[in-house]
Amino acid sequence: DTGVSQDPRHKITKRGQNVTFRCDPISEHNRLYWYRQTLGQGPEFLTYFQNEAQLEKSRLLSDRFSAERPKGSFSTLEIQRTEQGDSAMYLCASSPPWTGAQETQYFGPGTRLLVL
Amino acid sequence: GDSVTQMEGPVTLSEEAFLTINCTYTATGYPSLFWYVQYPGEGLQLLLKATKADDKGSNKGFEATYRKETTSFHLEKGSVQVSDSAVYFCALSEGYGGSQGNLIFGKGTKLSVKP
Repeated sequence: DTGVSQDPRHKITKRGQNVTFRCDPISEHNRLYWYRQTLGQGPEFLTYFQNEAQLEKSRLLSDRFSAERPKGSFSTLEIQRTEQGDSAMYLCASSPPWTGAQETQYFGPGTRLLVL
Repeated sequence: GDSVTQMEGPVTLSEEAFLTINCTYTATGYPSLFWYVQYPGEGLQLLLKATKADDKGSNKGFEATYRKETTSFHLEKGSVQVSDSAVYFCALSEGYGGSQGNLIFGKGTKLSVKP
């Protein structure tokens, strides 16, 4: 299977702890996106990478959130000092290089975070 | 800012019924429009897309036409099956005039099809 993969699939943590999620995009996809989805809502954009460069960040991405893509391949999303409001599904998506037309984003299965 | 509004769910239909899920959008540029589907226990999958006005996207019997004059992208299927039960999300992404990045999603519409 060469789709987008995410790890872990589920994470339960206590308030105040730090958590880190990993996303492996489809190979040769140079663009990578993180979204957050809460119950009953559509995904909301968090941040976007083109290769290793973080090109866009949403206002939703508070100072407690940091994302990296050090070698332009996999990406990590870290949440420091977690709060109960961080409980959500964190989705990763990737898409191929820009060709002048909007390319499809392919989504991973998500990491479900529960903060107690 | 840009936004997507889709009809509230849940929608419950009998097998072979006609399906319409309404979606309207607000955008400042020239967006591409998408329908994604999320089956129970699975990730988001692209169902269909349209990149310019009057384009029709189609897949698996589903269709949607990009209507710029009404800023709409309604999803339709002539005869639904139990296997179509899922949550459907309408989304947009700015094209040439805007960001190359994020998708903006509606809240989703849950469809349940009864045999």
